[in-house]
Amino acid sequence: DGGITQSPKYLFRKEGQNVTLSCEQNLNHDAMYWYRQDPGQGLRLIYYSQIVNDFQKGDIAEGYSVSREKKESFPLTVTSAQKNPTAFYLCASGRGQGDYEQYFGPGTRLTVT
Amino acid sequence: QKEVEQDPGPLSVPEGAIVSLNCTYSNSAFQYFMWYRQYSRKGPELLMYTYSSGNKEDGRFTAQVDKSSKYISLFIRDSQPSDSATYLCATQITGNQFYFGTGTSLTVIP
Repeated sequence: DGGITQSPKYLFRKEGQNVTLSCEQNLNHDAMYWYRQDPGQGLRLIYYSQIVNDFQKGDIAEGYSVSREKKESFPLTVTSAQKNPTAFYLCASGRGQGDYEQYFGPGTRLTVT
Repeated sequence: QKEVEQDPGPLSVPEGAIVSLNCTYSNSAFQYFMWYRQYSRKGPELLMYTYSSGNKEDGRFTAQVDKSSKYISLFIRDSQPSDSATYLCATQITGNQFYFGTGTSLTVIP
């Protein structure tokens, strides 16, 4: 059963703590993406990776970090430097260069208090 | 100016109505135009995509692109309560990042 999984669905953290969101795909996709979704602001790109061991900053990378050690996995760490971390985080994957399709995971709702 | 502008709604229509959802974009280099549907607390799913100006039909859904005016539309015929969701438009320059609209919330009332 192919797809993208994100865990956990809901995550609660105290301010000042780093937290890592998981994203795994078994679609054999080269490209993976992290987005943040806030009410009234749509999807904003945090980081993306076109190939293993390489990734690029998106529009709102400050306060976030990623790694891409395996093709299937693209974890996102929300650091204490992120000023407003409470949001809905979406991971997506795609075939990469020249392909228009993105497949999204179910999302993780992060609440930081 | 945002790359993609979308009226957030909300939009509420009776069952069976024709729904029109619209976006405008700023960069004439955009090549692909997509529509995603997102149910509450779920990830978006791709509904339709178009590459060129004109219409593309898939069942009750029609995607329309007018590159001369940088306008993209999604029409839903015979709308159903199950169509109630947020609809996101998106664009892409080949090989580069995607740009999404803010989404339009649609409710179809039985």
